[in-house]
Amino acid sequence: LAKTTQPISMDSYEGQEVNITCSHNNIATNDYITWYQQFPSQGPRFIIQGYKTKVTNEVASLFIPADRKSSTLSLPRVSLSDTAVYYCLVGSDRGSTLGRLYFGRGTQLTVWP
Amino acid sequence: NAGVTQTPKFRVLKTGQSMTLLCAQDMNHEYMYWYRQDPGMGLRLIHYSVGEGTTAKGEVPDGYNVSRLKKQNFLLGLESAAPSQTSVYFCASSGATGGLSADTEAFFGQGTRLTVV
Repeated sequence: LAKTTQPISMDSYEGQEVNITCSHNNIATNDYITWYQQFPSQGPRFIIQGYKTKVTNEVASLFIPADRKSSTLSLPRVSLSDTAVYYCLVGSDRGSTLGRLYFGRGTQLTVWP
Repeated sequence: NAGVTQTPKFRVLKTGQSMTLLCAQDMNHEYMYWYRQDPGMGLRLIHYSVGEGTTAKGEVPDGYNVSRLKKQNFLLGLESAAPSQTSVYFCASSGATGGLSADTEAFFGQGTRLTVV
């Protein structure tokens, strides 16, 4: 699995756009980039996934540059309810990585009023 | 559709006692996982299974055993509980492609808060 590096914590105010960047310098050709969100006292939930360029859904956007060595999760106009831990996962379901779903520490996003 | 259900939600054990945590999923998923979450440590993978009858070690397997006798169930056992195993335990399941390939995701249970005194 490609090692990922993301900030431990970030702060923002309501209404601002938040960008969380994840570095994954040794990403492999078959690897996907997946982000999860975890609220306090709950299990993580999937929010977005991408392979290259840009992906957008009703929750967030994911920007992936051409070299795929990093990715940025963008949350538009955050609210207090976006306070959560965000995890960046990089990997694929092939070979020796089969089944290994590693989350790491994630980024604690705190949104202030 | 219940998704992923963990039993029990809370438990207090004395050091040396044993217990089994049950994870049940009704989505016919091949892959199942057990994690523990401690303050400031994120989610750490204990054991996982890529299909009925199979199990494998994750990042922190010591002190735990697992079994996957039925596709829908994944059991996590603590043979002799220790205070270091006080944690919140999460179970998850995902489709055949393990949650890291296109159009797949892992679904989590609500967690089990275990305290070992």
